[in-house]
Formats: sequence, structure tokens, C-alpha cells
Amino acid sequence: ETGVTQTPRHLVMGMTNKKSLKCEQHLGHNAMYWYKQSAKKPLELMFVYSLEERVENNSVPSRFSPECPNSSHLFLHLHTLQPEDSALYLCASSPSRTGSPNEQFFGPGTRLTVL
Amino acid sequence: AQKVTQAQTEISVVEKEDVTLDCVYETRDTTYYLFWYKQPPSGELVFLIRRNSFDEQNEISGRYSWNFQKSTSSFNFTITASQVVDSAVYFCALSEARNYGQNFVFGPGTRLSVLP
Repeated sequence: ETGVTQTPRHLVMGMTNKKSLKCEQHLGHNAMYWYKQSAKKPLELMFVYSLEERVENNSVPSRFSPECPNSSHLFLHLHTLQPEDSALYLCASSPSRTGSPNEQFFGPGTRLTVL
Repeated sequence: AQKVTQAQTEISVVEKEDVTLDCVYETRDTTYYLFWYKQPPSGELVFLIRRNSFDEQNEISGRYSWNFQKSTSSFNFTITASQVVDSAVYFCALSEARNYGQNFVFGPGTRLSVLP
């Protein structure tokens, strides 16, 4: 596979469930990102990882917990979510977080619905 | 604080028409980068262009062209002879060089519909 992949593509969960979103990049990049895209709101940066170290969380609620075990994989662990957390969650990667900003390569997203 | 405004929420054009998508940005930094991304119905954002604040040359790539005007803080995107496959949501984004990765800010997007 090439590029950035995300699984699952669709997820429906109850407010008491625990689930995880997975992102994998095959581009040899060093930085990975989680974004939230809600209807009628701009894309929101949630987390940034550079060389597997989290560098920014942008005040995201603790019910979202990221994990980056290596530079190719990124997870978003979800627990006790609220209906307003329903959104498209996009993963992205870039060559580096430092230096001049490089373009980010995005995955297709996970469409999350919280009932 | 940085901000990106895309005043056009939705645009509809007929195939072969030219269309311009507006982007206005705010930043206090002198060094920054601007981007355009396309989000087709499949969902993933596709990178189109990156421009740094010191390069005001307009750029053309096939049917796409970009007009960067620092004086008006605008970075507009024009599609010439639009095609149905151009239908998508287009996002303009801004990143200040000093805090790259921590403040990659997207505009709200413009939904473009190209009708046959």
C-alpha cells in the first residue's frame, strides 16, 4: 500500500464504548497528525507527533487519547464519547514537523458516529 | 493569532466556466506558508500548492492558477475551463514558520459544484 491509510472507514459507537482509530503511513515521514472535521466547522488540529513524541494536543478532551508507537503508526483511542464528537477524523503525515512547513498528506478519514 | 477566511461557502458553475476561490488570511508573522487543498467526495484532502510569504510570483499548473497578493493578504485560486471532476471542497490553509506543526490553520472551505 502507499500513502496514508486509515481504519476503520466508518464507526458507530455508543457513549460507553471504547474503540480505537488506526492510521498508517507508508511515506517514510517523521510527523503525524490527527484532525477533526465537523459539519460547518473548520478542520481542527487535535494532536501532533514528531518522531513518536507528542508535541501539541490543542486542549483536546481527555476522552481522546493518542498513541504513536512508531513513526509509521498513529492511533486515537476513544472512550466515553459524546454525540457532539461525531465527525470525520483525518490522519495526516509530513516529512518533518520542524523547518519549513511541508505539505501534509492525508488519509481518507474515519467517519465516526456516536449514538 | 492567525486566521483564514474563505468567504464563499458554496459556488456552482457550469462546465468550462472559469471560477475563482477566494482566500484571505491574517498573521502577525513575516514568515509564513500558505496552502491549498482539495477534498473530493472520497474524503481525503489532496495537496495542491504551497507558497511561502517571500514568493509573490503567481503560479500556473495546467488549469489551476494562484494569485498571491501580500498587500491584501489574499491567496486566491482560479480554475480555468472547469470540469465536473473539479467538484470538491477546497481549503486554504496557513502555517507560521516559527510554530509549524502547532498551528496549521485551515479555512472553512468552499464547496465547488461543477455542473455538466
